[in-house]
Amino acid sequence: AQSVTQLGSHVSVSEGALVLLRCNYSSSVPPYLFWYVQYPNQGLQLLLKYTSAATLVKGINGFEAEFKKSETSFHLTKPSAHMSDAAEYFCAVTKTSYDKVIFGPGTSLSVIP
Amino acid sequence: DAGITQSPRHKVTETGTPVTLRCHQTENHRYMYWYRQDPGHGLRLIHYSYGVKDTDKGEVSDGYSVSRSKTEDFLLTLESATSSQTSVYFCAIKGQNTEAFFGQGTRLTVV
Repeated sequence: AQSVTQLGSHVSVSEGALVLLRCNYSSSVPPYLFWYVQYPNQGLQLLLKYTSAATLVKGINGFEAEFKKSETSFHLTKPSAHMSDAAEYFCAVTKTSYDKVIFGPGTSLSVIP
Repeated sequence: DAGITQSPRHKVTETGTPVTLRCHQTENHRYMYWYRQDPGHGLRLIHYSYGVKDTDKGEVSDGYSVSRSKTEDFLLTLESATSSQTSVYFCAIKGQNTEAFFGQGTRLTVV
């Protein structure tokens, strides 16, 4: 069965500092991987997705993620945090383009002025 | 924004009463999902559908049922609501080669 783990339920960074949110997955086949962001009292919005093309994926708002098969990881990074990045971030996996999507527990990102 | 509408957006109900949440899409996507979101658990899949009248259970399906009689509508029913079903419920839709798009959520409180 597929599963997703996100190390750190809460991460704090200073404004302008590097953002690193960790995601590890387990899947019996090469997966499709996603990062979603959720702002307070809103639904989830796609940040970026990996679909077996380039291993370094660029998303919206300056975020990017690198797929590392050997480490079964898909960590999310942003070079310089902004106050507006404070939100909940979810990593998700699916085996195929039409399979159910499984989410990790989420990481709450705080940005300190 | 993807055309997904959840209704109601907020509901308070009493223990033991039936409750139905509706998800309506205008994208003609084949796949539809119901998740619940609880602190510390992320989003957990309740049920999903891969076509009209084709549904399957997710990881937390006990106490819930679903129906999909039309492509655009996916209904989630709590047969007899319990306090443990107090949560925020999200509907999502997905095409063959797309990511999942989410609705705005329904906040359900069972008292």
